[in-house]
Amino acid sequence: NAGVTQTPKFRVLKTGQSMTLLCAQDMNHEYMYWYRQDPGMGLRLIHYSVGEGTTAKGEVPDGYNVSRLKKQNFLLGLESAAPSQTSVYFCASRASGLSYEQYFGPGTRLTVT
Amino acid sequence: GENVEQHPSTLSVQEGDSAVIKCTYSDSASNYFPWYKQELGKRPQLIIDIRSNVGEKKDQRIAVTLNKTAKHFSLHITETQPEDSAVYFCAANNQGGKLIFGQGTELSVKP
Repeated sequence: NAGVTQTPKFRVLKTGQSMTLLCAQDMNHEYMYWYRQDPGMGLRLIHYSVGEGTTAKGEVPDGYNVSRLKKQNFLLGLESAAPSQTSVYFCASRASGLSYEQYFGPGTRLTVT
Repeated sequence: GENVEQHPSTLSVQEGDSAVIKCTYSDSASNYFPWYKQELGKRPQLIIDIRSNVGEKKDQRIAVTLNKTAKHFSLHITETQPEDSAVYFCAANNQGGKLIFGQGTELSVKP
């Protein structure tokens, strides 16, 4: 039982390049989330999904897109990377119902030059 | 909009002393308040949580208190140890079930 995994662990992009971050969970969780973490700003929600085939915007969605084609996977895309998107990205998942605990992946450190 | 404020941003204590981190929230409908610990370079991990139907919860050296009237909750760590050094985040859920996180507190426990 791997829990929540993220691919890749590190990435360096040039401004304007695109990439996709993959999050996978094997806990059969309905809800999945993408956060970015910047110094002094905590965890900010980018996009989230309440089930397969659904996505919704979070607090800071601009410049990102997501897809949830399979229940176990949640993809985060950057179409045209900008230096302001340099950050650590965390994926999380949780079960449906009254269990609000979120389980986090190990993170992806992204640098945009 | 919904907001969670966390203080202090940094906290330094001597080994064996207690540490207290405080958070306030704005959404009166919030009913779930978790605390996450994040060690350097690692993922956030849940250490304790509390729901709005209780005022205090303890787990060995850590405890959380909740004052719904004042909309604030606190994390208490007693007999601190060097391995408690980490960044701690509080959070509160909103009506959509999402978590709103505080800005984090960097706790340093000096031997």
